[in-house]
Amino acid sequence: DADVTQTPRNRITKTGKRIMLECSQTKGHDRMYWYRQDPGLGLRLIYYSFDVKDINKGEISDGYSVSRQAQAKFSLSLESAIPNQTALYFCATQGLDTQYFGPGTRLTVL
Amino acid sequence: GDSVTQMEGPVTLSEEAFLTINCTYTATGYPSLFWYVQYPGEGLQLLLKATKADDKGSNKGFEATYRKETTSFHLEKGSVQVSDSAVYFCALKSGGYQKVTFGTGTKLQVIP
Repeated sequence: DADVTQTPRNRITKTGKRIMLECSQTKGHDRMYWYRQDPGLGLRLIYYSFDVKDINKGEISDGYSVSRQAQAKFSLSLESAIPNQTALYFCATQGLDTQYFGPGTRLTVL
Repeated sequence: GDSVTQMEGPVTLSEEAFLTINCTYTATGYPSLFWYVQYPGEGLQLLLKATKADDKGSNKGFEATYRKETTSFHLEKGSVQVSDSAVYFCALKSGGYQKVTFGTGTKLQVIP
């Protein structure tokens, strides 16, 4: 089984809808991250969490919120989706040096 | 702040050709440096890393040397295969910070 899982893998939604992307990990890591990937822009950090009680904004947090329900679970929400949030979203955990990524969620906002 | 600059792609090579993907960085202190690879439809995975100057990271025939004097971490492979077709990301992690800064990625396509 994969160490980092994301659900859903694909989602199409409409402008203004609330969307939640979920991430679960079995690596036992405290540190978790949400990124978005856009062509030509690489990965940009949305939010990160060093433990259940420590959540921090990344470089592009506007329009997003997160919840760290447990060490193993870190969810990303789009309160009111807009078309420029169409992207590939990745969750990751971090060990000593290495980040471990989930398979990604492809989100399309119409 | 920290930044990573890598060569733009796409890079198209014939099988068995030599590969170089350039990466330079700006960071405070002494960062750890990484190359991650993203195969089609998958998340990123660590390819190799180096944690101090002059270290060489290597994996699956790929190599990169941490060059502090030129602030570079270029990725090389002597003979690429079709299965190496992927997007390659250079990245760094500074000192005590737990955030990783990624480059924009370089797409490699290897043709038979």
